[in-house]
Amino acid sequence: QVKLVESGGGVVQPGRSLRLSCAASGFPFSGNAMHWVRQAPGKGLEWVAVIWYDGTTTYYGDSVKGRFTISRDNSKNTLYLQMDSLRAEDTALYYCAREEEGETLDYWGQGTLVTVSP
Amino acid sequence: SSELTQDPAVSVALGQTVRITCQGDSLRVYSANWFQQKPGQAPRLVIYGKNNRPSGIPDRFSVSSSGNTSSLTLTGTRAEDEADYYCNSRDSSGNHVVFGGGTRLTVL
Repeated sequence: QVKLVESGGGVVQPGRSLRLSCAASGFPFSGNAMHWVRQAPGKGLEWVAVIWYDGTTTYYGDSVKGRFTISRDNSKNTLYLQMDSLRAEDTALYYCAREEEGETLDYWGQGTLVTVSP
Repeated sequence: SSELTQDPAVSVALGQTVRITCQGDSLRVYSANWFQQKPGQAPRLVIYGKNNRPSGIPDRFSVSSSGNTSSLTLTGTRAEDEADYYCNSRDSSGNHVVFGGGTRLTVL
């Protein structure tokens, strides 16, 4: 079955960096675009970024553009999110999600928590 | 505009029908998808595309759309349907994804 497992979250000071990973299994990872979506404590869902199935194209939400980088290693079935210049407002639960047939996010991981605090 | 607007909260009596709406200009071009999120859990896809349900989602969940509005309808609402519901779609560029602010459904 499809499984997505995020890791790499933690507590980090403002201005520092963190890299999240999402290990995928149960489907041909190289065939799907993948997304990162985050949720601040007590708040709604916010789309962060997408990367195409082959890694050639990426898009970012306005709040993270220029600071975050999404990437993937199809040989390792792993999605990444490099987060630089972190801010307090980046504190959130970060989910990775699979895009199916260019239409929807059909599978989600359980999330990894990032806390940006002095 | 690339925003999707949802009512913050809706309530429904047990066994009754409730409609949760999502409005946005991008919905004139792209279908909305709907996600259910219960406390402490990841979002779960319940409706996608025109009116498609993933495996395991009961048929009391359905969607309709008109103009810039998508409406998720729950028929015969059960206590277990109490959750936050989010719509999403592409933005007007087609390259970005947008989410509505979410609707908290309370089952009375």
